[in-house]
Amino acid sequence: GAVVSQHPSWVICKSGTSVKIECRSLDFQATTMFWYRQFPKQSLMLMATSNEGSKATYEQGVEKDKFLINHASLTLSTLTVTSAHPEDSSFYICSARNSGTSGGEQFFGPGTRLTVL
Amino acid sequence: AQTVTQSQPEMSVQEAETVTLSCTYDTSESNYYLFWYKQPPSRQMILVIRQEAYKQQNATENRFSVNFQKAAKSFSLKISDSQLGDTAMYFCALYNYGQNFVFGPGTRLSVLP
Repeated sequence: GAVVSQHPSWVICKSGTSVKIECRSLDFQATTMFWYRQFPKQSLMLMATSNEGSKATYEQGVEKDKFLINHASLTLSTLTVTSAHPEDSSFYICSARNSGTSGGEQFFGPGTRLTVL
Repeated sequence: AQTVTQSQPEMSVQEAETVTLSCTYDTSESNYYLFWYKQPPSRQMILVIRQEAYKQQNATENRFSVNFQKAAKSFSLKISDSQLGDTAMYFCALYNYGQNFVFGPGTRLSVLP
């Protein structure tokens, strides 16, 4: 149980294009999902909290117009990197919290490696 | 503000031996959760163990156990009978209800054959 999938696992795109990353909770409902960015050999940096049916909450310094988040259902959140540039190249990880439990733990997707040429 | 500190950037241990990873945190809340996550070379974050602050008993999951010292705000992870598959980054995390996770900077553990 508590499996989170993420697609694609890696993507290469040209500068100026947009890339969409999907995050799905496969066997539980997730009212809240999270998007993180991880630089090499560093910890996870929270970008935004995605709430089903409402607007995402972005962390300070994260451009909401650049990183579009949609949480259209209790099992799916998407992150769209718009007009991608080489500095957006990174490892993006999503996580989900099980709405049916109170334990607080987050379950993580396998991550997406984005390379912008 | 909530913070999580892991003072050991890197550690190594011989296979089959025991190693302890340190974590200290700061929070003004009295009820919270603490976690240890493992991130192997695949980069998949895996939940190792979870501790609820209101429980005095230290959590245990097979070869993994914690030493939770609430007054000292310390939450160390002990790995017994270390295996090669335990090689990974280990992140300590703090969660207060209704707030976001706070992750520590991580400890890179290498298990040597």
